Amino acid sequence: NAGVTQTPKFRVLKTGQSMTLLCAQDMNHEYMYWYRQDPGMGLRLIHYSVGEGTTAKGEVPDGYNVSRLKKQNFLLGLESAAPSQTSVYFCASSYTTGTRSRELFFGEGSRLTVL
Amino acid sequence: AQTVTQSQPEMSVQEAETVTLSCTYDTSESDYYLFWYKQPPSRQMILVIRQEAYKQQNATENRFSVNFQKAAKSFSLKISDSQLGDAAMYFCAYRSFSRAGSYQLTFGKGTKLSVIP
Repeated sequence: NAGVTQTPKFRVLKTGQSMTLLCAQDMNHEYMYWYRQDPGMGLRLIHYSVGEGTTAKGEVPDGYNVSRLKKQNFLLGLESAAPSQTSVYFCASSYTTGTRSRELFFGEGSRLTVL
Repeated sequence: AQTVTQSQPEMSVQEAETVTLSCTYDTSESDYYLFWYKQPPSRQMILVIRQEAYKQQNATENRFSVNFQKAAKSFSLKISDSQLGDAAMYFCAYRSFSRAGSYQLTFGKGTKLSVIP
């Protein structure tokens, strides 16, 4: 049981390059999230999805785009990477809205460095 | 919007001793969840304990327990009999249970816990 899988785990980009982070979950979760973690800032929500074909902005969405074409996958894209996007990115998923007592399940994180 | 505050950026504890990590939050909602996550150097986010706001009883998980004070909007984590493996970053998190809040998880900035042998 893989849970939440992120690829790639590490990536180095030059300013202006583009890339896509892939998140895949095998738990049939409706909700999926992308967070970024920076020193001293905790985890901040970038974008999230409440179901296949739907996405919404979180706290820090600028410079990122997302897509949820399949229920199990949630993609995070950087169209023109900037040094300020150097961070560790976490994908997470959770059970459907009708259930209680549901925590988020996290992937292992992806470290992105933009030079 | 909800906010979560962890006022202790760093803490240390002697092995086998007890330590308490503080967390306060701000919300206008009456129904929500609170969590403590542990992040060791491996970077993996590990759920330590959860608390449902409608439950008055404090949650416990083995050596981990919480002191949930709903009126004061306080949610502290107590680690008893501290072990070397407890050394990690600890995050307090709030999860809205409203559709308007989109069930988002809001994190504090974390407390780095060191365990001294």
